[in-house]
Amino acid sequence: QQQVKQSPQSLIVQKGGIPIINCAYENTAFDYFPWYQQFPGKGPALLIAIRPDVSEKKEGRFTISFNKSAKQFSLHIMDSQPGDSATYFCAPRGNYQLIWGAGTKLIIKP
Amino acid sequence: NAGVMQNPRHLVRRRGQEARLRCSPMKGHSHVYWYRQLPEEGLKFMVYLQKENIIDESGMPKERFSAEFPKEGPSILRIQQVVRGDSAAYFCASSPQSLGKRHYGYTFGSGTRLTVV
Repeated sequence: QQQVKQSPQSLIVQKGGIPIINCAYENTAFDYFPWYQQFPGKGPALLIAIRPDVSEKKEGRFTISFNKSAKQFSLHIMDSQPGDSATYFCAPRGNYQLIWGAGTKLIIKP
Repeated sequence: NAGVMQNPRHLVRRRGQEARLRCSPMKGHSHVYWYRQLPEEGLKFMVYLQKENIIDESGMPKERFSAEFPKEGPSILRIQQVVRGDSAAYFCASSPQSLGKRHYGYTFGSGTRLTVV
């Protein structure tokens, strides 16, 4: 039973472009919608998160857009840089468990 | 202000041996969560512990796997009689208290990469 579908699996963007990563979920009881960034050999680090009573949140170059009726949320990275190259995971929370998407491997070309 | 400390970073075990993975939560955090990550996949929840209590072990295989979080010392994830399929990265996260409405933050360690040969 796949509760969280993340897309695309991989993404290559030129420096300065705006990669967009999407996450669709099924469980309407999720109450917290984070994106995590993971570099090779490291643990995931919280990048940005949104609560379901808000439709958009911006922190620096990172923006989450949340569409409650469509049960989707997305991550946008403005003015992307080679240092943003990493794997990104959506991981909405139900109770205390984070339910992880399969990840998007993002490469920003210089 | 050390983060979540996991050791060892890398662990190689032969089939049939035991693996012990340790996790020291952040200072002031009393809740620990273990996750497993297979290559090219997201993390999968295994177990949630408080000091001296297992709160939820629904994600942990019933056999060969066990976890504890004693009153003193780190949390331990123990895998007995390891098999090749146990090869994965095991991540530990901690939080200051139960994640109710006001508390959302998990801090993850850098993981232990277990390789079974």
